Amino acid sequence: AQKVTQAQTEISVVEKEDVTLDCVYETRDTTYYLFWYKQPPSGELVFLIRRNSFDEQNEISGRYSWNFQKSTSSFNFTITASQVVDSAVYFCALSEGAGSYQLTFGKGTKLSVIP
Amino acid sequence: DAGVTQSPTHLIKTRGQQVTLRCSPKSGHDTVSWYQQALGQGPQFIFQYYEEEERQRGNFPDRFSGHQFPNYSSELNVNALLLGDSALYLCASSFGRSEAFFGQGTRLTVV
Repeated sequence: AQKVTQAQTEISVVEKEDVTLDCVYETRDTTYYLFWYKQPPSGELVFLIRRNSFDEQNEISGRYSWNFQKSTSSFNFTITASQVVDSAVYFCALSEGAGSYQLTFGKGTKLSVIP
Repeated sequence: DAGVTQSPTHLIKTRGQQVTLRCSPKSGHDTVSWYQQALGQGPQFIFQYYEEEERQRGNFPDRFSGHQFPNYSSELNVNALLLGDSALYLCASSFGRSEAFFGQGTRLTVV
């Protein structure tokens, strides 16, 4: 069965600090997709990134970067020079192979960036 | 380009009643999924609709049912409401295996 673990329930950082959100996943499939979503207080889940299991290249998008390591089943998310607008709940999610369409989410990490 | 829209935004119902939530997918998307998010938890997959049929279902009782219309919009119906059904209900749309885009959700409170 697929499972996503986000061990950090809440994190507080001071503005301009770097912060890493951890995500560990479990799956028996060799083909799968990993995602990160941001949920601001408004409730809408905002898509940030999708990676497939065959692409372990790390990715950088502005202040955001993602580190995918199959050897440790981890897909961590780093925000560089955090800003108050980054305050939100962040979810890591997994979608297994060709036969499944559902997203399995972790419990989320609430990030508070203090000015 | 309108994103995923859901209605209503908030709803209060009494135990035992029935409720219908609505979702219009993002333009160009043909697949709609529904998720239930309890307070402080991650979203849980209810089911997905494609070509007007339920393609996959999560671990939810038959009280949860849905429908997809020819214009790809969708409804989620919940019968015999329980207090535990109180949650944020999120609709997501996608095209093929592309990433899912979510609406702002419907906050359902059962009293």
